[in-house]
Amino acid sequence: GAGVSQSPSNKVTEKGKDVELRCDPISGHTALYWYRQRLGQGLEFLIYFQGNSAPDKSGLPSDRFSAERTGESVSTLTIQRTQQEDSAVYLCASNHPLDRDDSGELFFGEGSRLTVL
Amino acid sequence: KQEVTQIPAALSVPEGENLVLNCSFTDSAIYNLQWFRQDPGKGLTSLLLIQSSQREQTSGRLNASLDKSSGRSTLYIAASQPGDSATYLCAVNLDSNYQLIWGAGTKLIIKP
Repeated sequence: GAGVSQSPSNKVTEKGKDVELRCDPISGHTALYWYRQRLGQGLEFLIYFQGNSAPDKSGLPSDRFSAERTGESVSTLTIQRTQQEDSAVYLCASNHPLDRDDSGELFFGEGSRLTVL
Repeated sequence: KQEVTQIPAALSVPEGENLVLNCSFTDSAIYNLQWFRQDPGKGLTSLLLIQSSQREQTSGRLNASLDKSSGRSTLYIAASQPGDSATYLCAVNLDSNYQLIWGAGTKLIIKP
């Protein structure tokens, strides 16, 4: 696609429910990042995918968080048993890996705003 | 450990002024540096990317410079407009590492 696409744009859920957020990166971008941004705060790294390599999950805050990506396409971020502290905007970004001449420029989606009541 | 600092945290200037936003980093071994803007409730928009071998990049009224040896980058905005109001973030890619280190951002307000 022309840009990084995320859905849903807004999600309101009750505490304890599971939610799934989707990211469709720019076509051809093998690298994909998930970030979390709480209200008024900076970006918090969650997870990184690069091609078929094992993902870097070092930023996931708890085992309630998981993410999948099939090949170089769509990724889903799943939050199980949501808590109020999970309320935030979840941002997805993609780029080419750093071994390309045109590498590095990171493109973001508009984010998925999650509100846990 | 690489740290990225942006000063000031907030800036308010009248329309039409030229202004400079600052980004400093502690480790000069960077692969590239990128400037973004973020509008309230929105995602981030890439403004300029400077590779480590470059000194500056320009796009329209924006000019970003990079001085690796001193660990600094500046984003120069010429003839500011109210539409430039946003939070501006810089991020560095560590050498051969996909991880980006983010500054906390500068919140810019351009007064009509």
